[in-house]
Amino acid sequence: DTGVSQNPRHKITKRGQNVTFRCDPISEHNRLYWYRQTLGQGPEFLTYFQNEAQLEKSRLLSDRFSAERPKGSFSTLEIQRTEQGDSAMYLCASSLASGLNFYEQYFGPGTRLTVT
Amino acid sequence: GESVGLHLPTLSVQEGDNSIINCAYSNSASDYFIWYKQESGKGPQFIIDIRSNMDKRQGQRVTVLLNKTVKHLSLQIAATQPGDSAVYFCAEINDQGAQKLVFGQGTRLTINP
Repeated sequence: DTGVSQNPRHKITKRGQNVTFRCDPISEHNRLYWYRQTLGQGPEFLTYFQNEAQLEKSRLLSDRFSAERPKGSFSTLEIQRTEQGDSAMYLCASSLASGLNFYEQYFGPGTRLTVT
Repeated sequence: GESVGLHLPTLSVQEGDNSIINCAYSNSASDYFIWYKQESGKGPQFIIDIRSNMDKRQGQRVTVLLNKTVKHLSLQIAATQPGDSAVYFCAEINDQGAQKLVFGQGTRLTINP
């Protein structure tokens, strides 16, 4: 399968612990997005990368959240000192964006985080 | 603030019937609209898209209609099948640079046998 993959698929952690998620985009895609989705809601944008550069962060991304894409390939999303409100599905998407044309974002299966 | 919303949270149709899922958006500057399908335990899957300079686009069994006058988007699914059961989201893009998606709440479509 050459789609977007995410690991782990599920993570249960205790409040106050740190967690890290990984996203492997489609190999030739230069754009990588992170979204968060809570139950019954649509995904909300968190941040995105163009190659290795993080170009935009949502105000939803507090200072406890950090994302990296060190070599312009896979990306990690770390949450420090987790809170119960961080419980959500974290989705990664990638696209091959160029210029001002619109390109489909392909989503991974997500990582479901439960903070107890 | 900017939002993309849906009229109905749930919709049930009989297998073989046509379904229509509606979406209202508030940002008249949005350039691009997309419908996504999300099955349980999976990420959103692209269905069909439409640019703001169009009012209709057809795909295989699906049609998207865009009415910019009333800021309304709809997804029509013809001859529904059990595999169409899912949550459907409309999303918009209003910045051509980042192209980040702004999603609505979603409509759960259930196909009855």
